Amino acid sequence: DAGVIQSPRHEVTEMGQEVTLRCKPISGHDYLFWYRQTMMRGLELLIYFNNNVPIDDSGMPEDRFSAKMPNASFSTLKIQPSEPRDSAVYFCASSSGVGETQYFGPGTRLLVL
Amino acid sequence: LAKTTQPISMDSYEGQEVNITCSHNNIATNDYITWYQQFPSQGPRFIIQGYKTKVTNEVASLFIPADRKSSTLSLPRVSLSDTAVYYCLVGLYNFNKFYFGSGTKLNVKP
Repeated sequence: DAGVIQSPRHEVTEMGQEVTLRCKPISGHDYLFWYRQTMMRGLELLIYFNNNVPIDDSGMPEDRFSAKMPNASFSTLKIQPSEPRDSAVYFCASSSGVGETQYFGPGTRLLVL
Repeated sequence: LAKTTQPISMDSYEGQEVNITCSHNNIATNDYITWYQQFPSQGPRFIIQGYKTKVTNEVASLFIPADRKSSTLSLPRVSLSDTAVYYCLVGLYNFNKFYFGSGTKLNVKP
């Protein structure tokens, strides 16, 4: 299995631009998670899906952030408009069931200038 | 959600046993304790999970006292490649929402 796939691996953009991060979970996994990691706040859960349905988005920082999962093999995290404080590493993870091990992707390093 | 407290950093030398303790005073009856490892520029990776007493796998051991208010991850004979951040998580086995916190940065020296 290729594991969780994320793209792009690096993204540099200017403040005000729209940013879209992509994730392909491990085939057969029903749960997908989006995390954000910064030096100041550590690793934070933003939102997670079960069977393509958002279950808990209480970690999404602002309305500028949105996440979708149109099918079992694809999810996006969108930031519009982006701000410098959104600079972080964004991880996608998937798991096969409730409470099961979460498998993380390599992350997308986002820099907003 | 039960929060956890871990040392910010630890130093060790190759070949030593390393014990990282995590405090989780507010752990609930149904909470499990899970440890993840994160190398630089990579996502976290599952190491071990337990509920009580002792759990051992090919990578580590996890010791949980009877009151479950703390747990200790034990890494036998560490090598330079064990240099990483180690996260202690507490959450319901039937619930996915974990609090990662800042973790413990382990630095293994030659």
